[in-house]
Amino acid sequence: GAVVSQHPSWVICKSGTSVKIECRSLDFQATTMFWYRQFPKQSLMLMATSNEGSKATYEQGVEKDKFLINHASLTLSTLTVTSAHPEDSSFYICSARSPVRGINEKLFFGSGTQLSVL
Amino acid sequence: DAKTTQPNSMESNEEEPVHLPCNHSTISGTDYIHWYRQLPSQGPEYVIHGLTSNVNNRMASLAIAEDRKSSTLILHRATLRDAAVYYCILRNSGGSNYKLTFGKGTLLTVNP
Repeated sequence: GAVVSQHPSWVICKSGTSVKIECRSLDFQATTMFWYRQFPKQSLMLMATSNEGSKATYEQGVEKDKFLINHASLTLSTLTVTSAHPEDSSFYICSARSPVRGINEKLFFGSGTQLSVL
Repeated sequence: DAKTTQPNSMESNEEEPVHLPCNHSTISGTDYIHWYRQLPSQGPEYVIHGLTSNVNNRMASLAIAEDRKSSTLILHRATLRDAAVYYCILRNSGGSNYKLTFGKGTLLTVNP
């Protein structure tokens, strides 16, 4: 099946610094990627939809200036958490829409990035 | 989006079948039933999906009620590696964007 690689797996940073998370589709082109956030013992919450070559679409309540998303190529989307604070500590997960469309369409997920802000 | 209801948790023994239920009484005619699962500290992975007929693949089977108001994910022989949170999600086939809304899912514990 299709593979989505997410890097880094975990990161620890100081409060006030910025952190970049990369999401790559390794063997297919992904025109659309999604970024989710997951707090402990909770479900995944969609943060934004990333479309190649255009601005990301953010879900209500997600600060677009804080969570910068760039989808400059068909295989790479990045999420930058700017001026991170302890409350941004969470598990961030990216996913890519399969190249197959229609009834057999599915999402392929990265393995997630655990962000800890001190 | 139409909502799904799943038990918070279920327990099974290794090598026994597991039936994970999902209720979706407000499902529309164009909603597909998707199942994903999330292993500990991992991103979710696709399991199976269907519309009206029962579906089988190498991972699981999906049994869909005749009125489509409920479905059951069947793991024929649970292994320890099947311990995960299982999410039942409705996806409208008429939508142009594959945006999935995750509920709380069912935490499956598999006992050795």
